[in-house]
Amino acid sequence: GNSVTQMEGPVTLSEEAFLTINCTYTATGYPSLFWYVQYPGEGLQLLLKATKADDKGSNKGFEATYRKETTSFHLEKGSVQVSDSAVYFCALSRTNAGKSTFGDGTTLTVKP
Amino acid sequence: DTGVSQDPRHKITKRGQNVTFRCDPISEHNRLYWYRQTLGQGPEFLTYFQNEAQLEKSRLLSDRFSAERPKGSFSTLEIQHTEQGDSAMYLCASSPTGREYEQYFGPGTRLTVT
Repeated sequence: GNSVTQMEGPVTLSEEAFLTINCTYTATGYPSLFWYVQYPGEGLQLLLKATKADDKGSNKGFEATYRKETTSFHLEKGSVQVSDSAVYFCALSRTNAGKSTFGDGTTLTVKP
Repeated sequence: DTGVSQDPRHKITKRGQNVTFRCDPISEHNRLYWYRQTLGQGPEFLTYFQNEAQLEKSRLLSDRFSAERPKGSFSTLEIQHTEQGDSAMYLCASSPTGREYEQYFGPGTRLTVT
């Protein structure tokens, strides 16, 4: 079956530090890959997506590249802010299947 | 576009009682999903609808769980004879036709079974 593995947290960084959150997946075929963010007290929000190999998803300074050869979709940001403190979830979905499979989430805390 | 809404936001119930949650998707979104999330884990898929048709149910959805979307708009998730293990956040999401992977989540209903 499909599965997603994220690096364990929590991750604590100082403001303006570089962020990487690792995500690897197992799936048959060619899934679409996503990063969701959950701010304290709020629902999940789609942060970025990539639907085929070598695609780069980007949004709000975050980036992730769909690497089929390493089955990875690592999230990166060059300079984090305190407002980026949240839980980040990596997920996959078979195109048009709809339902998503999520990782367990990585909690990011950014200190001023 | 007011987003996906869920009601209630919190529910505390005693073991053995029945509970029902409601989800209102973004209007004109034809797909609606239910997920369950426990502390420290990612959301787990329960079931989804395309319009009023329930197309898939997870093995997690025991016989005590039932979901409906009678007119293809709002949906309800009912849990009968609740157990303490049912305590979780129940999330609803919807997605538009042609972009089914683009799921918009509601704030969730937190269920506590005492």
